[in-house]
Formats: sequence, structure tokens, C-alpha cells
Amino acid sequence: GQQVMQIPQYQHVQEGEDFTTYCNSSTTLSNIQWYKQRPGGHPVFLIQLVKSGEVKKQKRLTFQFGEAKKNSSLHITATQTTDVGTYFCAGYSSGSARQLTFGSGTQLTVLP
Amino acid sequence: DAGITQSPRHKVTETGTPVTLRCHQTENHRYMYWYRQDPGHGLRLIHYSYGVKDTDKGEVSDGYSVSRSKTEDFLLTLESATSSQTSVYFCAIQGGSYNSPLHFGNGTRLTVT
Repeated sequence: GQQVMQIPQYQHVQEGEDFTTYCNSSTTLSNIQWYKQRPGGHPVFLIQLVKSGEVKKQKRLTFQFGEAKKNSSLHITATQTTDVGTYFCAGYSSGSARQLTFGSGTQLTVLP
Repeated sequence: DAGITQSPRHKVTETGTPVTLRCHQTENHRYMYWYRQDPGHGLRLIHYSYGVKDTDKGEVSDGYSVSRSKTEDFLLTLESATSSQTSVYFCAIQGGSYNSPLHFGNGTRLTVT
């Protein structure tokens, strides 16, 4: 079945440093979504990318969808302590429209 | 946050006992999902529902059953709980098109001893 891999699993950064997490799928995705989960909380939707090569920005966050629609990345510029949490990518493959497959997540720690 | 409530929030049970988790929504959304979250595995889909009495299996459905007798309620049952089912369970709802975002409940932390 479809697999979505995410790296790194953990990342510790000093406040003000940049952070990037990468997501790779074993199959072509129809779209990709990103979620953030604060410690002890539930996943919260951040953004969705649909088009090949698409780039979207939300303040200090930049999301990219690969040209082949099999990979994606999330980059945070100048991290803040409010960025702490686990970031998940999730995607639908073309053959399973109702099964959103999540990556294993990247847990971000920001040291003040 | 979307109107979605999970109960109970925490549950400790013994191996072999049945357990039912409840998800209740006030959004009138057609699609509802049950995921489990374990360290290193992200969120894995157990079962989902696309309408009253319409359900289907996800990637980790063994040992779980679901029921949806009303639009607003989606129940997850562990017929005979095992220690491998110790996890955090999240319910999610989805409105609109098939690729709309999921809105998650606060989760149920289940411990099977």
C-alpha cells in the first residue's frame, strides 16, 4: 500500500534558526496536506497543496509540492518557541480517495 | 474548532474486555474517521464512514469494529482489548469535497493493562 515517509523524526533547533522537514511518498499523490500537533494536542490543518511544483507561504512557513507530486517540504524561517510541535504531512494517492495517509511526523523542539 | 467531541478522554481497561469509544459531531459532516497514533507511526487509519450505516476499513482495522447509526455519532469498538491497542485514538470529520481538510477531536488515551 501507499507509504509516506517523513524525515527527520526529531529536530532540535535554537530559536531563530531555520527548520525543514521532508515528506516522500511511494506513490503519486493527488494532493498533500500539512498538519501541526502541539504537545498534548490534536492535529490541526495548516495547508493543502494540489498542483505540481506548487509553493505556498504562510508568514514564516513555506510549503512546496514536488514536480512529480511524490514529495513535499515544509520550511520554517527563524523559528520561534511557538513553532514547537510535531508536523505531519498527509496525502491521498489517486487510487484511495478516502484514505488520507499520514507521514510519521517530525517533532520540532525550539530551544530559547 | 469544529464541533467534534470524543469520549472518554482517558480510559484504562484490562486485556480481554470490550471497549467503546465515542465520537460526536455537531457539523452534520458526512465523513468521519478513526485514527490511532503511536510513536514513530504517525496517524494510521482504522475505519471510516461515508454516511449512516456506511463504513469501510482502513489500514489497521483488525481487532476493531465501528458503527454509525446517526450522522452525528461514530463509535469505535474494541471487541476484546489487547495491549497492542494501547494508543491515542483520534476521531476526525470532513466536510465538502474528498480532499477537504480533516478536523480532529481532542483524542482518547486508551491504556490496556
